[in-house]
Amino acid sequence: KAGVTQTPRYLIKTRGQQVTLSCSPISGHRSVSWYQQTPGQGLQFLFEYFSETQRNKGNFPGRFSGRQFSNSRSEMNVSTLELGDSALYLCASSLQGYQPQHFGDGTRLSIL
Amino acid sequence: DAKTTQPTSMDCAEGRAANLPCNHSTISGNEYVYWYRQIHSQGPQYIIHGLKNNETNEMASLIITEDRKSSTLILPHATLRDTAVYYCIVPVPLQAGTALIFGKGTTLSVSS
Repeated sequence: KAGVTQTPRYLIKTRGQQVTLSCSPISGHRSVSWYQQTPGQGLQFLFEYFSETQRNKGNFPGRFSGRQFSNSRSEMNVSTLELGDSALYLCASSLQGYQPQHFGDGTRLSIL
Repeated sequence: DAKTTQPTSMDCAEGRAANLPCNHSTISGNEYVYWYRQIHSQGPQYIIHGLKNNETNEMASLIITEDRKSSTLILPHATLRDTAVYYCIVPVPLQAGTALIFGKGTTLSVSS
């Protein structure tokens, strides 16, 4: 069974730009969660989507948004990029939004 | 929300059992304990979870004390590839579903 796939693996952007990251969950999983990992703050919960609806949201500004498609694939968008947005962005999927969640290897975003 | 406390780091000789402790003294009766690990440059990997009975799978064993205030993850025969950061997590209930709140975890170093 294929795992969670995130694309691209690496991305370099400049301040003020916007970026879209993609996540394909494990087949049959309907819940997709996004996390941000930085050396200073560790792993932090961004939001969770289930059946194309955002069900839960962490404490991040509105520049961070996402969506989920009917096939459960999800995208995350960050607008007006700031230097502090440099991080590893991780996607995790689960059957219903309860555990266990299975993670992809992330997209490493660097802001110049 | 139940918080977890783990030692910052541990060492283990290759081939020996690695026993990783976790305190979760404020856990409630229906909250599970989950263990994940993260190897450098990869996403977190689900290991095992339990409620009150001891659990075992192909990766590890989980021993939960009778009062459920602490648990121990056991890797029976540690290898160099088990070197990673290990996270003990009690998922936080949200409006719907749960979120994983990662602490700093325990850095396990396995040496030959």
